[in-house]
Amino acid sequence: EDKVVQSPLSLVVHEGDTVTLNCSYEVTNFRSLLWYKQEKKAPTFLFMLTSSGIEKKSGRLSSILDKKELFSILNITATQTGDSAVYLCAVSRGSEKLVFGKGTKLTVNP
Amino acid sequence: GAVVSQHPSRVICKSGTSVKIECRSLDFQATTMFWYRQFPKQSLMLMATSNEGSKATYEQGVEKDKFLINHASLTLSTLTVTSAHPEDSSFYICSAPGTVLGETQYFGPGTRLLVL
Repeated sequence: EDKVVQSPLSLVVHEGDTVTLNCSYEVTNFRSLLWYKQEKKAPTFLFMLTSSGIEKKSGRLSSILDKKELFSILNITATQTGDSAVYLCAVSRGSEKLVFGKGTKLTVNP
Repeated sequence: GAVVSQHPSRVICKSGTSVKIECRSLDFQATTMFWYRQFPKQSLMLMATSNEGSKATYEQGVEKDKFLINHASLTLSTLTVTSAHPEDSSFYICSAPGTVLGETQYFGPGTRLLVL
């Protein structure tokens, strides 16, 4: 059975801290791994990763994929209160369907 | 980027009534759309794949007679929750693939359904 496991499930940090969110997966016909940020409404797209070892970066956020060990990490440096959200990892498995993890709830306190 | 809209954003209904939720791709055509359900503090669970011009395909455990899906055009899919019950209260989100390969999904803003 395809599965995507995220850790930790919940994380509380102070502004300025750096955080690392983890996502491991076991899926057939892996095509890509995606990270989303979900605040109160629908998820917003952050990154799509298809190749191992190539870091994708957007401002203070970065992500990398390891296809050998079947995991990805999402890093956020110099966190701000606006980074508070649920971060979802999803895997595309050879079709347009996505399999989502349960998410990591990040709370950044001032 | 591509925009997907949903209507209504929030609906409260009585138990036993039916509720229709619309999902529209605003500036692109979507032959396929996906419907997800998200319970509080849970992740998105795929309910069904909506296919323009053909029947929807449902995930295991999702009742197709309860959750009616109609993909009437290349920009519109509807989900009707029939005879809704309190346990159907949830956040319903649609998405449409945004690339040729379909990996990137563009999500609608979601519909929060509360069944009393």
